Amino acid sequence: NAGVMQNPRHLVRRRGQEARLRCSPMKGHSHVYWYRQLPEEGLKFMVYLQKENIIDESGMPKERFSAEFPKEGPSILRIQQVVRGDSAAYFCASSPGRGLANYGYTFGSGTRLTVV
Amino acid sequence: SQELEQSPQSLIVQEGKNLTINCTSSKTLYGLYWYKQKYGEGLIFLMMLQKGGEEKSHEKITAKLDEKKQQSSLHITASQPSHAGIYLCGAPFDTGTASKLTFGTGTRLQVTL
Repeated sequence: NAGVMQNPRHLVRRRGQEARLRCSPMKGHSHVYWYRQLPEEGLKFMVYLQKENIIDESGMPKERFSAEFPKEGPSILRIQQVVRGDSAAYFCASSPGRGLANYGYTFGSGTRLTVV
Repeated sequence: SQELEQSPQSLIVQEGKNLTINCTSSKTLYGLYWYKQKYGEGLIFLMMLQKGGEEKSHEKITAKLDEKKQQSSLHITASQPSHAGIYLCGAPFDTGTASKLTFGTGTRLQVTL
């Protein structure tokens, strides 16, 4: 039973390019969460998605960032026109249902984005 | 200001020694989660505490939740090099979806031989 799979593990992009980060939740999990860990900062919530729905995007930057979790396939975090400040580790977590009290999270190993 | 403060920020202990990491909240705690992050890797779930006064143990790690003090502690007994890493506490402050965690800034633990 594979855990939460994120790819790529490392991604290098030049300023202005697009970055696509993928997250395949654990089998049977239909809830996905994205977090960002900036250098010298803590882990910050970005967005919470269920299949085909964005439930909470209160942590997403207003511009250039978008997320989706289609009916089929992995969840995608997309960053357009990347800037150096986007360099960070991006983590995905999944759970089988809503409510941390019931289910908790399982995290993936993260994607480390470097913008040069 | 940080909603979850962890102390100490970093810690170096000799192998075999005991240590305690604290996580203090500025808000009411409805649960508290402890994770460990190896340098450059993902987060490993350690423990979930849901009730005031709850205490859980796994191998040499014990975590307690003091709701009145809005605080949790993580205690490691007889530390080993494998315990080295960054320890993060997280709490669900959002009572809406109850599905996102606010994390502390972490405690870096080094265990020397």
